Parts: sequence; C-alpha cells; structure tokens
Amino acid sequence: GEDVEQSLFLSVREGDSSVINCTYTDSSSTYLYWYKQEPGAGLQLLTYIFSNMDMKQDQRLTVLLNKKDKHLSLRIADTQTGDSAIYLCAEKGGSSNTGKLIFGQGTTLQVKP
Amino acid sequence: ETGVTQTPRHLVMGMTNKKSLKCEQHLGHNAMYWYKQSAKKPLELMFVYSLEERVENNSVPSRFSPECPNSSHLFLHLHTLQPEDSALYLCASSHHPPGPRNYGYTFGSGTRLTVV
Repeated sequence: GEDVEQSLFLSVREGDSSVINCTYTDSSSTYLYWYKQEPGAGLQLLTYIFSNMDMKQDQRLTVLLNKKDKHLSLRIADTQTGDSAIYLCAEKGGSSNTGKLIFGQGTTLQVKP
Repeated sequence: ETGVTQTPRHLVMGMTNKKSLKCEQHLGHNAMYWYKQSAKKPLELMFVYSLEERVENNSVPSRFSPECPNSSHLFLHLHTLQPEDSALYLCASSHHPPGPRNYGYTFGSGTRLTVV
C-alpha cells in the first residue's frame, strides 16, 4: 500500500541549514508536497515538486527528489526560530483518481537560538 | 485565514452527544476532504468528496457521518463517539485534477475535539 515515512525530530541552531527527509512507496506518485504546521494551526503548503523534476528552489527552500530511491528532502537555508514547526511530507499517488494525499507522520523541527 | 474555514475551533462532547463539524471554502475547489490528526500518528484520510459525491471512505466507523450539500460546504456529523476519537479534525479542499495553478490542498485550521 501507499506509505510515507519521516524521522520524527530534528534540532538545529539558528543560522544553520536544516534538511528534513521523507521516503515514500508509491512509484506512481505524481506530485510530492511539503506542508508546515505550527502549534494549534492547520497545514500550510510550503512547496511542491512534480515527479518529473529532481530539484526545485524557492527562496530559502530547496526540494530534492530522488525518484529511483523514492526519497524526498526539504532543505531550509539560514534556519530561523520562526521555522520551528512540524513539517509534513505528502504524496499524491498517480493511481489515485480521487486527488487524495498520503501524509507522513511529520518531522518536528526545533530551532535553537 | 486560508480560505477554508472550520467551525467550531474547539469542541468538548460527551459520548452520548450529537454534534456537527462544519467546513466552508470559497476557493472554487471541486474536492473536499476530512482528515483526522491524532498525536504521533500520520494524518488519516477519512472521507473524500469530489463534485459533491463521496468517492472515498477509508473504513471510518459509522459514528462519523459526512455530508456535502454543495461544493462549498462539508459537514462531519458525530454521534456516540469514544474517547479515542479525540483528535484534531482537519478539512481541506483542492482542485482535482491538479494543474499548474491548482495544486495541493488548502487546509482549514481544524477543530480540536475532546470526547469525555
């Protein structure tokens, strides 16, 4: 079945780069997403990548996709304390005709001053 | 506000109560979703509505009953819930199929449900 996995916790110092990793199982995934969730809030779409791309950069965010290994990563450059949140990876399966997204458990990013 | 509004933000209900969660979007999306977020577990997809028709039900107990009266509104009717149903319930909407300008979901802020 479809499965998305992430490590649960990452701690970095302010100003460092953060790299959050995600693996997925559905080889027919078409879109892959990164969402950010702050305490008590819903999910905010940060960025996405289409499966025929291997990299996408958007200001401080860089998404890398290794489709062969089914591995997705999110790099945040110059991490700030305001980046502290839960980051969720999600994939939209190509076999799905309902548009549903499958989410990972989320990685809690802690940024220390 | 993200464009998807959920009410109420917090709800405490007894196991014999009946309540409803409401979700509203005016983004022109044609698909709406209910997700359940429990502590330390991945988001669990509960229901998918596409063009107001339920297209997916992920083995959700019958004590949860969704309703989608039109493309802008989605409800989750709750009755005789259990304490383990306490969670954050998130509504989302999207355009399906996704295209260059319509991708991902827009989520509401969620309803924090506590069953006592």
